[in-house]
Amino acid sequence: GAVVSQHPSRVICKSGTSVKIECRSLDFQATTMFWYRQFPKQSLMLMATSNEGSKATYEQGVEKDKFLINHASLTLSTLTVTSAHPEDSSFYICSARDSDRGGNQPQHFGDGTRLSIL
Amino acid sequence: QKEVEQNSGPLSVPEGAIASLNCTYSDRGSQSFFWYRQYSGKSPELIMSIYSNGDKEDGRFTAQLNKASQYVSLLIRDSQPSDSATYLCAVKTTSSASKIIFGSGTRLSIRP
Repeated sequence: GAVVSQHPSRVICKSGTSVKIECRSLDFQATTMFWYRQFPKQSLMLMATSNEGSKATYEQGVEKDKFLINHASLTLSTLTVTSAHPEDSSFYICSARDSDRGGNQPQHFGDGTRLSIL
Repeated sequence: QKEVEQNSGPLSVPEGAIASLNCTYSDRGSQSFFWYRQYSGKSPELIMSIYSNGDKEDGRFTAQLNKASQYVSLLIRDSQPSDSATYLCAVKTTSSASKIIFGSGTRLSIRP
C-alpha cells in the first residue's frame, strides 16, 4: 500500500529555533502533498497544500513566511517552522495522494511530528 | 453549514455490539468518500474508501453510502476495545480541488 514517511517524529528545541520537517512518499509519486496541524483534543487543521514545482497554497490565517513549504520533487515536501515559539508547539502531520492513479484516491498520512518549543 | 459534518461524540458502545458512525456532506456532486481512524496521539489511518451507492464490506467494517441523502456511514461489527478511537469522515468534493475535506471526527469508546 501507499506509504508516507515523515521525519523527525519528535522535536524539542528552544524558542527562536527553525525546525524542518520532511515528508516523503515512498512507493508512489505525489504532485500534491498536504500539511496539517493538530492541537490536543482538537480536529485536524489543514495548513497548506504543497505543489511540486510551484508555490504552496496556504489556508486562511496561516502565515506563509512563518511556515515555509518546499516541494522540490515528486516524492518530497518539507515544512520549515521558522523562529518557532511555544505557541507553535503542536502535532504536525503530512499526507499525500498517488498522482498517477487519478483524482479520487485517498490521502495517506505520515506518522506525524510532535513539536515542542521550550 | 460545514462541508462535512459528524457528531463529535463520545459514542459509547458495549464490546461485541455494532458501532454505527454517521457523516453528512453538503456537496451533492461529491464522488469519493473515506473513513479514517485516529488513535490518540497518532496520525490518521485509512480504513475504507467508498465511491458508489450501497454497502462496501471489509472484515468487521462496512461503509454505507447514500448520495441522494448525502450521508455516509461506517458500521463496526463485533466491536472491540481496540476500536476505541476517533473516526474521521472525509469527502472529495467538487470544489475542493485536490484536497479531501475532513469532518471533525466522532470519538468512539468501546466499553468492556
